[in-house]
Amino acid sequence: SQQGEEDPQALSIQEGENATMNCSYKTSINNLQWYRQNSGRGLVHLILIRSNEREKHSGRLRVTLDTSKKSSSLLITASRAADTASYFCATDANFGNEKLTFGTGTRLTIIP
Amino acid sequence: DAGITQSPRHKVTETGTPVTLRCHQTENHRYMYWYRQDPGHGLRLIHYSYGVKDTDKGEVSDGYSVSRSKTEDFLLTLESATSSQTSVYFCAITSGSTGELFFGEGSRLTVL
Repeated sequence: SQQGEEDPQALSIQEGENATMNCSYKTSINNLQWYRQNSGRGLVHLILIRSNEREKHSGRLRVTLDTSKKSSSLLITASRAADTASYFCATDANFGNEKLTFGTGTRLTIIP
Repeated sequence: DAGITQSPRHKVTETGTPVTLRCHQTENHRYMYWYRQDPGHGLRLIHYSYGVKDTDKGEVSDGYSVSRSKTEDFLLTLESATSSQTSVYFCAITSGSTGELFFGEGSRLTVL
């Protein structure tokens, strides 16, 4: 079964708006990662947040982690058309960093 | 970009035929993974390797075998392909130190 589940499954927003997507997971983790996948391409790592961190920033990305609720959120500020992609969270609940489990993803569409 | 290539990128085959997908890396990373991606399921781990000749099963390993005789190559074999194995297959690598995975561009397999 999937460790992480993203919400919503699909999201459409106007360019310039902020996009927020959420990830819930089931068991304790060491870290949680977010990846982006452009259509027809492989996944690209965006950001990693460790279980002892609550918030992390990288450019226009802001990730939060609430281990008490077993959830994380990814915020993309000032969205651009190039942000159109699918976004996945991944957790290492089983055997540490060497074995990641991915969620089903959020499909983000930025409307120009 | 991480030096990781998958071959073939596209393959159409018939039910019952053997298929081998190859993942080649030039990064000398210890860990290599095979995932499959299907609509509604996200990415699911098939098999992974933590060193030459050291492999282990993932959550959807039935019908698949792997081999790793060299650090740089990780082969995924479908001994007798079935239509349920129609999917996009992704190889990923990591050094294990950060947990960040680097993905190949994917191999689209269609089993008729």
